[in-house]
Amino acid sequence: GAVVSQHPSRVICKSGTSVKIECRSLDFQATTMFWYRQFPKQSLMLMATSNEGSKATYEQGVEKDKFLINHASLTLSTLTVTSAHPEDSSFYICSARVPGQGTKNIQYFGAGTRLSVL
Amino acid sequence: ELKVEQNPLFLSMQEGKNYTIYCNYSTTSDRLYWYRQDPGKSLESLFVLLSNGAVKQEGRLMASLDTKARLSTLHITAAVHDLSATYFCAVDTQGGSEKLVFGKGTKLTVNP
Repeated sequence: GAVVSQHPSRVICKSGTSVKIECRSLDFQATTMFWYRQFPKQSLMLMATSNEGSKATYEQGVEKDKFLINHASLTLSTLTVTSAHPEDSSFYICSARVPGQGTKNIQYFGAGTRLSVL
Repeated sequence: ELKVEQNPLFLSMQEGKNYTIYCNYSTTSDRLYWYRQDPGKSLESLFVLLSNGAVKQEGRLMASLDTKARLSTLHITAAVHDLSATYFCAVDTQGGSEKLVFGKGTKLTVNP
């Protein structure tokens, strides 16, 4: 199956700093990637859809200026949590949709990044 | 707005027993996905159901989709400890947005 690599797997940072998370599709080109957030023992909530070469589409309630998404190439999307605060601590997961599936929407998920803001 | 409800949210069962997890969704969709998540890990794709009446089986797990009832089931047969994990269903929002809406997940614990 398709492989999506996410880095780093874990990051601990001080309040007020910015953190960048990378999501790469290793063996396919992904025009669309997705960023999710998962709080402990809860489901995944879609934060934004990342489109290669254009602006990301954010879900309602997600602050665009706080969660910066860049999808500069067909294999890389980045999520930057700016001026992180303790309430931003969460598990962030990216996924990529494999192209050429027709009506299917099979998404492959990265391993996730656990962010802890002190 | 598409809503996805799973039940039960927690399931504790004995090895060797059978059980079913249910996934209901609120609007028309004919694409439903089941994922498994182990603690601290990301999601592993289990099943992709793309039409009414679709049935997929892998080992002790079998998933089905009834688009008219807006219901999918994940049936566990003769559970073993290795199946302990959290299982999520996700429904595709139609109209080309490609977004998935996830249920809250069912945490399954299989006891020896």
